[in-house]
Amino acid sequence: EVQLVESGGGLVKPGGSLRLSCAASGFTFSSYSMNWVRQAPGKGLEWVSSISSSSSYIYYADSVKGRFTISRDNAKNSLYLQMNSLRAEDTAVYYCARDLYVSSGHDYWGQGTLVTVSS
Amino acid sequence: EIVLTQSPGTLSLSPGERATLSCRASQSVSSSYLAWYQQKPGQAPRLLIYGASSRATGIPDRFSGSGSGTDFTLTISRLEPEDFAVYYCQQYGSSTRYTFGQGTKLEIK
Repeated sequence: EVQLVESGGGLVKPGGSLRLSCAASGFTFSSYSMNWVRQAPGKGLEWVSSISSSSSYIYYADSVKGRFTISRDNAKNSLYLQMNSLRAEDTAVYYCARDLYVSSGHDYWGQGTLVTVSS
Repeated sequence: EIVLTQSPGTLSLSPGERATLSCRASQSVSSSYLAWYQQKPGQAPRLLIYGASSRATGIPDRFSGSGSGTDFTLTISRLEPEDFAVYYCQQYGSSTRYTFGQGTKLEIK
């Protein structure tokens, strides 16, 4: 069974940092591109970042470029999102999601982890 | 950047009725790169349709996707009580990677 489990969310002050993790199981993690997608309270979905299976290709939404860094450790079946210079507008539930295949859509999602940026 | 506009914002229907949800792109989108998701309160989104018209694994055949270019449609042929949720379309673009529409809320009339 495919499972994605996020962790690392919490309350952080504006300007602070947080590192999210996503533990994957039930599939060959090293064969799939992965993504972070977020959802602010009561709002729609916003794609944040993508990383290819071998980390060769990395993309960011303009809203987080220069502040967030996506990475993965295929030996540990884990995906990460390092978030720096956090702002109130980064407050959201952050989901990790697997690509069905490259550029096709996300077929498995974690349950999400809440990040709250507030003083 | 391609913008996806979903309509209507809210759709009020009864179980057993047919639902038609629209997703319009500001520029032409390759059909291969158009997906639809369902999201229920407190849950992660679920992939329904990819490649504009292919159902994801385990999705009932009452869900169907169609369209090309700038106009795409998600149709639910006969609404079941569990289908009332928020629906999002998503496209992939080489420069912007993924973009979501703002969502359509399907509510019980």
